[in-house]
Amino acid sequence: QKEVEQNSGPLSVPEGAIASLNCTYSDRGSQSFFWYRQYSGKSPELIMFIYSNGDKEDGRFTAQLNKASQYVSLLIRDSQPSDSATYLCAVNLLRANNNDMRFGAGTRLTVKP
Amino acid sequence: DAGITQSPRHKVTETGTPVTLRCHQTENHRYMYWYRQDPGHGLRLIHYSYGVKDTDKGEVSDGYSVSRSKTEDFLLTLESATSSQTSVYFCAISGTNTGELFFGEGSRLTVL
Repeated sequence: QKEVEQNSGPLSVPEGAIASLNCTYSDRGSQSFFWYRQYSGKSPELIMFIYSNGDKEDGRFTAQLNKASQYVSLLIRDSQPSDSATYLCAVNLLRANNNDMRFGAGTRLTVKP
Repeated sequence: DAGITQSPRHKVTETGTPVTLRCHQTENHRYMYWYRQDPGHGLRLIHYSYGVKDTDKGEVSDGYSVSRSKTEDFLLTLESATSSQTSVYFCAISGTNTGELFFGEGSRLTVL
């Protein structure tokens, strides 16, 4: 079992719709959770992080964490064509006080005008 | 944008040759990382550093070595490149051991 799993997609939504991206992780000791966005041919950039159970909202983005279910999700409201990218879920295992960030394989999102 | 530069950005080499990728940061961050990214695998950690001369292995460290003699530089060396090491390599930095990573632009390596 991979430590971080994501639906590989591709996920296609119409402009203005809600895009829902999901991620599960295997290590119950994981402390922090991140969503990165990666445009084709570019490097990943952080869009959200969440440490506590529940929802965290930032503009059109909402991250949701359920530690009991070992589940993290990212909702993108009012999706725009510029949101078309690959979204990477990352989980920090924090081993021996050092970052040990594990990434999922990513979900490719396409927002159609 | 975080001040991270990787060099070279593109390299084509032959099997069996040594290769060194350089990551340079101007942020004075303590933590530095080397990842490789391959289709279907996402980003996988090769090695990381938590200070000058302090390094440790990641999940795919075989065939790679690293060195960090200065805060700002983190070198990744492939002693004898193989075709399985064809990949895009990303350097990342972080100011804390719990926080976000800032990535360099990537180095595309092709081993023929």
